[in-house]
Amino acid sequence: QKEVEQNSGPLSVPEGAIASLNCTYSDRGSQSFFWYRQYSGKSPELIMSIYSNGDKEDGRFTAQLNKASQYVSLLIRDSQPSDSATYLCAFDTGRRALTFGSGTRLQVQP
Amino acid sequence: DAGVIQSPRHEVTEMGQEVTLRCKPISGHDYLFWYRQTMMRGLELLIYFNNNVPIDDSGMPEDRFSAKMPNASFSTLKIQPSEPRDSAVYFCASSTNSGGPYYEQYFGPGTRLTVT
Repeated sequence: QKEVEQNSGPLSVPEGAIASLNCTYSDRGSQSFFWYRQYSGKSPELIMSIYSNGDKEDGRFTAQLNKASQYVSLLIRDSQPSDSATYLCAFDTGRRALTFGSGTRLQVQP
Repeated sequence: DAGVIQSPRHEVTEMGQEVTLRCKPISGHDYLFWYRQTMMRGLELLIYFNNNVPIDDSGMPEDRFSAKMPNASFSTLKIQPSEPRDSAVYFCASSTNSGGPYYEQYFGPGTRLTVT
């Protein structure tokens, strides 16, 4: 069983819509969760971190964490073509190193 | 502030040659990580250091790979001898304890390695 599961996509949404990205994980000891954005040919860029159950909002981004169900999601409101990228979820089990999912490719259609 | 710095950005070498990748973490960060990214395997952790000491090298694929961190501002990842299957993008990342259980990692631009 993979430690982190993400739908590889592509997830295609029209400009201005809400993009919903999901990630499930298998390690119940996970404490910290992160969303990274990676443009083609570039390095992963941290966009959100979440540590407690519930929602965390930052601008157009909202991260949602449900530890009981072992999933974390990322909502992008008012999606823009510049949001087109691969989104990687990652978690830290407390050993300070991150385990990454394989990423979901998002395409925002103008 | 400067981010994580990696060099070279691109490396093309022939099978059997030694390759050395370099990384300078963000000043003040006490954790340093080496990752490898390929289409097939995604982003994989190779090794990480805390205060210049290797903590977990279980991701290092084989003895051909070695990593060092002689001081807080410099680390190397060496492959000797290199093989075509080592072709990948190698990322260095750094983080620090911000006062809680939070270790947000920041990535360098990566080194794209091609072994022919």
